Amino acid sequence: EVQLAESGGGLVQPGGSLRLSCATSGFTFSTYWMNWLRQAPGKGLEWVATILQDGSEKHYVDSVKGRFTVSRDNAKNSLYLQMNSLRAEDTAVYYCAREDWGRFDWGQGTLVTVSS
Amino acid sequence: DIQMTQSPSSLSASVGDRVTITCRASQDIRNDLSWYHQKPGKAPKGLIYATSTLQSGVPSRFSGSGSGTEFTLTISSLQPEDFATYYCLHSHGFPRTFGQGTRVEIK
Repeated sequence: EVQLAESGGGLVQPGGSLRLSCATSGFTFSTYWMNWLRQAPGKGLEWVATILQDGSEKHYVDSVKGRFTVSRDNAKNSLYLQMNSLRAEDTAVYYCAREDWGRFDWGQGTLVTVSS
Repeated sequence: DIQMTQSPSSLSASVGDRVTITCRASQDIRNDLSWYHQKPGKAPKGLIYATSTLQSGVPSRFSGSGSGTEFTLTISSLQPEDFATYYCLHSHGFPRTFGQGTRVEIK
């Protein structure tokens, strides 16, 4: 069974940093594209970032470019999102998701709140 | 960037009704379109990918169709557990974008 478990969310002040983790199991992590997505309170879903299997290629939504960095550790079956220079508009539930030929399998999410 | 326009934004329907939700892409995305539903406070769950392939465990009352720029999710006979918000997502290059969502409510 595919399992994805996000952690690392919490309350952070504007301008602060946070690192999210996604622990995975039940599949061969190193062979899949992995994604971060988010959902602001009461809003729709937003794709944030994708990292390819070996980490050599990464893509980001414009609003986080230069502030967020996606990475992975294939030996630990884990995905990460380093978030710097956080803004109030980054407040959201963050989900990691495995991508398999356009099919996304989601974790349960972790809440990030950016507020003073 | 590819924009996804989803309609309607909300609908009211009764158990047993046939429901159709549409997503239009701003350019040709071939069949790189998936559908998800989400209940309040829960993570999204996959329904359909590659336009028309049902994810494992998804009831056959769900179906997807389309290609190019116009896509449809159909629920043939709405069940109580289907009341949720539905989203489409394109995976035809980057950035990926979601439709705005369709809230399916009980009439």
